[in-house]
Amino acid sequence: QQKVQQSPESLSVPEGGMASLNCTSSDRNFQYFWWYRQHSGEGPKALMSIFSDGDKKEGRFTAHLNKASLHVSLHIRDSQPSDSALYFCAASEISSGSWQLIFGSGTQLTVMP
Amino acid sequence: DPKIIQKPKYLVAVTGSEKILICEQYLGHNAMYWYRQSAKKPLEFMFSYSYQKLMDNQTASSRFQPQSSKKNHLDLQITALKPDDSATYFCASSPRGAYSNERLFFGHGTKLSVL
Repeated sequence: QQKVQQSPESLSVPEGGMASLNCTSSDRNFQYFWWYRQHSGEGPKALMSIFSDGDKKEGRFTAHLNKASLHVSLHIRDSQPSDSALYFCAASEISSGSWQLIFGSGTQLTVMP
Repeated sequence: DPKIIQKPKYLVAVTGSEKILICEQYLGHNAMYWYRQSAKKPLEFMFSYSYQKLMDNQTASSRFQPQSSKKNHLDLQITALKPDDSATYFCASSPRGAYSNERLFFGHGTKLSVL
């Protein structure tokens, strides 16, 4: 079983709509959670991190963490066509004395004009 | 200007051959990493280096060997290539080193196809 699981696999929203992406981890050793975004043909780029229970807002992006249920979500309001990308949830843990990022399989977001 | 340069962008190899993937970062970072992305698996951690020292190796096969000639270089040598090695290989870096939790900066990747 993957340590970081994402849902849905793909998501379509209209321009200006709200996109909600989910992530669940199975390891309570995870300390930080990250959201990365990958546009086609590029490498992933970090959007934001969260490690405290509750919400964290950065512009149109809001991350929510519930440590008790090991659930993280990302909400994108006023979605734009440029937000169309593959979104990864990642969790960091210490392995062999160094931090390591464990990625989920990703959610493919399409924002329709 | 890309601050993490990976060469080549595309690479085609025959089974059994050997290839070297190049990575240079110009962000002044102290830690560098290799990740692999294939159709079958999510982004998969391979190696981490901090100050040119190997910190973590999660690659089961010795066919994958990182090489760091300078602090801002981390190449990946792959020997005895197999079709299953076909994937996009991403180099990444972070500012302070692999002992800190911080965001990773990724290159654009090298897409390797093994025939």
